[in-house]
Amino acid sequence: GNSVTQMEGPVTLSEEAFLTINCTYTATGYPSLFWYVQYPGEGLQLLLKATKADDKGSNKGFEATYRKETTSFHLEKGSVQVSDSAVYFCALSDNTNAGKSTFGDGTTLTVKP
Amino acid sequence: GAGVSQSPRYKVAKRGQDVALRCDPISGHVSLFWYQQALGQGPEFLTYFQNEAQLDKSGLPSDRFFAERPEGSVSTLKIQRTQQEDSAVYLCASSLVGPGLAGGYEQYFGPGTRLTVT
Repeated sequence: GNSVTQMEGPVTLSEEAFLTINCTYTATGYPSLFWYVQYPGEGLQLLLKATKADDKGSNKGFEATYRKETTSFHLEKGSVQVSDSAVYFCALSDNTNAGKSTFGDGTTLTVKP
Repeated sequence: GAGVSQSPRYKVAKRGQDVALRCDPISGHVSLFWYQQALGQGPEFLTYFQNEAQLDKSGLPSDRFFAERPEGSVSTLKIQRTQQEDSAVYLCASSLVGPGLAGGYEQYFGPGTRLTVT
C-alpha cells in the first residue's frame, strides 16, 4: 500500500536558519504530493503541492520538488521565521483511488528568535 | 466563503456511549473525507464520499463506525459503543472536484473534533 515517511522531529532552529524536512513516499501509480501545515490551535492547511514528476511547489518561501527517481518531496525554506513554528505533514494523494490521502506522522518545527 | 466546520469541537464520552460528529463542508464541494488522527501521528483515512455516495469506507476500523452524507452536503460520523481506543481527533475535509482532473485533490480541512472516551 501507499506510505509516507518523514523526518522525525522535533526540529529546533534559530531565526533565519535554513530548513529542510525530508519526506519520502511509496505509492503505486503517479500520486500527487502535498505539504500541509498545522499552526498551534488551528486546522491543517495546504502549504504547497506538486502533481507530477519534476514539478516544484512553492508558497510563503517554502519549496518542494517532486523527485520520482528518489521518491522524495523534501520541504525547504531558506530563512525561517518564528511564525513558521508549526507541525508540517507530508502527504500523497493516490490519483487512481478516489484521491484519498496518506499522511506522514508530522514534524514539529520550533523557530527561536 | 466559510471553510469546513465541524461540531462539536470537543466531545467527552463514557465508554459504551454512542457519539455523532458533524461536518459541514465548503458549499459546492463534491468530495468529502473523514480522517482519524491519533496523538502525535498523521491523519489516517476513514471514508470518502462523492456527493451522497460513499465510495470508499475501507479505513473504518470496525462496524461500530458509520458515516453518512444523505443529501450530498453535511456529513455525520457515528461511533457506536465507544471504546478508549477511539479517542482521537476526527478530521473532515472537502474537495471541490472528484478524481480524474489534474490537481483536483486539494483538500480543505476542518478544525477537527477531539473525542475523549473515558
